[in-house]
Amino acid sequence: DTEVTQTPKHLVMGMTNKKSLKCEQHMGHRAMYWYKQKAKKPPELMFVYSYEKLSINESVPSRFSPECPNSSLLNLHLHALQPEDSALYLCASSQVGTVSYNEQFFGPGTRLTVL
Amino acid sequence: AQKVTQAQTEISVVEKEDVTLDCVYETRDTTYYLFWYKQPPSGELVFLIRRNSFDEQNEISGRYSWNFQKSTSSFNFTITASQVVDSAVYFCALRSAGGTSYGKLTFGQGTILTVHP
Repeated sequence: DTEVTQTPKHLVMGMTNKKSLKCEQHMGHRAMYWYKQKAKKPPELMFVYSYEKLSINESVPSRFSPECPNSSLLNLHLHALQPEDSALYLCASSQVGTVSYNEQFFGPGTRLTVL
Repeated sequence: AQKVTQAQTEISVVEKEDVTLDCVYETRDTTYYLFWYKQPPSGELVFLIRRNSFDEQNEISGRYSWNFQKSTSSFNFTITASQVVDSAVYFCALRSAGGTSYGKLTFGQGTILTVHP
């Protein structure tokens, strides 16, 4: 099973709302990623978790708060977002270990619209 | 700094034509990994292939083939006898082998491929 699932598929929120994006994988991967993708652009890395610990934060504004409750789950908590944060948010996972060329497997994404 | 260039922003072909997507990369690393991903309109990035820098063997998988040439820093992707279902955005990506094994992917800007019936 090489599936990464994300919920919800679509999300519309106001600038004062608090919402969360969820990501789940059951491939036994110990690295999980959040990416942001604007239209007609490549994905931009936001966060990386390795063994449930935050290892990379690409200078993401604090209105985005990641959380990794266990090795299978990754959340992205959203608060006080701006309209320019509207984008496709992609989750990915990969193995971590001695094999360093671990390809990342992506979920279908959550399409976020901030009004 | 690493860089991936996909010179073709958009390509339009008619079904059954062959099409090649170009990818040129820059890196100072001696060991690195190259990837191709497909992103259909549904949004999910689908992993297609990984190539290690120390393995210049070309690969064929069905209608897909990849030509890796280290001398020209290119990793081109050819679809033979294209089909409408091949319509998608294709991304070439690069990752260094050094550091952590979950290193950052450097993506190209993507090539939008449209296959007309």
